Amino acid sequence: EAGVAQSPRYKIIEKRQSVAFWCNPISGHATLYWYQQILGQGPKLLIQFQNNGVVDDSQLPKDRFSAERLKGVDSTLKIQPAKLEDSAVYLCASSVTGQVNTEAFFGQGTRLTVV
Amino acid sequence: AQSVTQLDSQVPVFEEAPVELRCNYSSSVSVYLFWYVQYPNQGLQLLLKYLSGSTLVKGINGFEAEFNKSQTSFHLRKPSVHISDTAEYFCAVSDREAAGNKLTFGGGTRVLVKP
Repeated sequence: EAGVAQSPRYKIIEKRQSVAFWCNPISGHATLYWYQQILGQGPKLLIQFQNNGVVDDSQLPKDRFSAERLKGVDSTLKIQPAKLEDSAVYLCASSVTGQVNTEAFFGQGTRLTVV
Repeated sequence: AQSVTQLDSQVPVFEEAPVELRCNYSSSVSVYLFWYVQYPNQGLQLLLKYLSGSTLVKGINGFEAEFNKSQTSFHLRKPSVHISDTAEYFCAVSDREAAGNKLTFGGGTRVLVKP
């Protein structure tokens, strides 16, 4: 079974530029999550989708971050404009459902460096 | 709201020695509890979880954890570690009452197994 795919693996941009990350979840998984992991900290949930609808985006900085999951499969996370403090690893995860007894599988992440 | 505290940021341990990683949480509601492992340059992988029932939970790779409600703790243990256990370990909780499976993570404990 293929895992959660993310691209790119690494990205370096200058502040005020824009950037987009892509995530392809495990086939058949209805729930998709984006987490931000700043160096030295645990991951923090940015947004959770159930199919193509948003379940929770309470911690997404909506003035600069946006995410979409068209057709309920792939998802993109965009930052525009980027700030230095956005430097982090962005992790995508998926699960069969949003229920706690279904495991969330994580991708390898995209490491973003903003200079 | 919940918070998770992992009391040790780094734990050096010799191969075949036991290890314990401490996790305490704070929450105004009942929670589910999880431990994840993150190997270098990889995504997070679920080690074990506590949903209900026996407070001693066994996971993969010989790890186990014990839920202590009175002390609001969920410490992770392994009786004999291997070099391959070198990784970062994250404790996490999720709200039993909330929709979805939003995980709140601790800051992580980096385990370095020495030969």
